Amino acid sequence: KQEVTQIPAALSVPEGENLVLNCSFTDSAIYNLQWFRQDPGKGLTSLLLIQSSQREQTSGRLNASLDKSSGRSTLYIAASQPGDSATYLCAVRSSGSEKLVFGKGTKLTVNP
Amino acid sequence: DGGITQSPKYLFRKEGQNVTLSCEQNLNHDAMYWYRQDPGQGLRLIYYSQIVNDFQKGDIAEGYSVSREKKESFPLTVTSAQKNPTAFYLCASRPQGGTDTQYFGPGTRLTVL
Repeated sequence: KQEVTQIPAALSVPEGENLVLNCSFTDSAIYNLQWFRQDPGKGLTSLLLIQSSQREQTSGRLNASLDKSSGRSTLYIAASQPGDSATYLCAVRSSGSEKLVFGKGTKLTVNP
Repeated sequence: DGGITQSPKYLFRKEGQNVTLSCEQNLNHDAMYWYRQDPGQGLRLIYYSQIVNDFQKGDIAEGYSVSREKKESFPLTVTSAQKNPTAFYLCASRPQGGTDTQYFGPGTRLTVL
């Protein structure tokens, strides 16, 4: 059974700092991995999707990497801004499955 | 405007009542999903549907029911058999093929009084 863990559960940084969010998964037979952002009381917004054959994806100040063999992904946020404050969720779709398995998220606060 | 709409935004239910949460999408997506989110928890899959008139149970389907009579609509009924229904419910959709990204609605917060 696939399990997804995100560390840390919460992170507070000053504006302008570069930061890394971590995601680990137990079964390396994955189809893809997604990073989402969730603002309080809102739905999820997809940030990046990495296919199992890819090592990384980039969008603006965001870079996500994937190491299947070690069961890890990282989300790198460059030059953080107060508007980046949100909960970031990692989700894995295993091979042969239609389902996404989510981590519990990392709550990020960027202080002005 | 293309997207996923969920209604109502807030819903209050008395114990013993069934309630239905609406999810509509105009993205022409084939697959639709219902998730439940509890405070400090990740999302858990309730039901999903890949085509009209077909749906499968997710990890926590007990006490819930769905229908998929139209491609655009995937309503979720929370029945009285669901013992702890207070939660935030999220609907999502995904096109078959393509990027495989799931697109989420704004959510419905259900509270049992």
